[in-house]
Amino acid sequence: AQSVSQHNHHVILSEAASLELGCNYSYGGTVNLFWYVQYPGQHLQLLLKYFSGDPLVKGIKGFEAEFIKSKFSFNLRKPSVQWSDTAEYFCAVNGGGGFKTIFGAGTRLFVKA
Amino acid sequence: SAVISQKPSRDICQRGTSLTIQCQVDSQVTMMFWYRQQPGQSLTLIATANQGSEATYESGFVIDKFPISRPNLTFSTLTVSNMSPEDSSIYLCSVGGQEFGEKLFFGSGTQLSVL
Repeated sequence: AQSVSQHNHHVILSEAASLELGCNYSYGGTVNLFWYVQYPGQHLQLLLKYFSGDPLVKGIKGFEAEFIKSKFSFNLRKPSVQWSDTAEYFCAVNGGGGFKTIFGAGTRLFVKA
Repeated sequence: SAVISQKPSRDICQRGTSLTIQCQVDSQVTMMFWYRQQPGQSLTLIATANQGSEATYESGFVIDKFPISRPNLTFSTLTVSNMSPEDSSIYLCSVGGQEFGEKLFFGSGTQLSVL
């Protein structure tokens, strides 16, 4: 069955700490991988995406993610978080061609100033 | 990109009633999606709505409970029928597909509470 698993539901960090959010997926065939973010009071929006090529992708606001095909993983990282990174982060996958997008349960990140 | 307006933003409804949620997009789009986000859970796709055809529902969701209209390429509605407290959730409209590089754009959501 198609699924996305996020390892942590809640993460609390101090400013300047490093961040890594885990994401594993189960999906047959070619995959497109995404991280979406929802800041407090705002719409869900795309943080970064991977379709093909370099498995290390860079997104907005200093975030990056690494696709490891052998581990079916797409972990999100940021070397030094800021208070403004407080948000909920969702890992997602689809098969392209307009196929449906499947989301993980989300990780709520709180960054202490 | 796409700008999506969704309304109402929130509502409190009585058990047994129905609520229709509207979704307006600022451009013509092929594929529109309705998601549900229950507290502490992932976004779950309810159905895909393509203009000119019946919506395609995911497992666990049926047309009688969640009828969807898609009268044109910029608008869709989702109705939550005969509501019960278990329907309390955030309902999200989104657009995506190849024309958007496979990524999704979301509306602001409708927070529904059923008493």
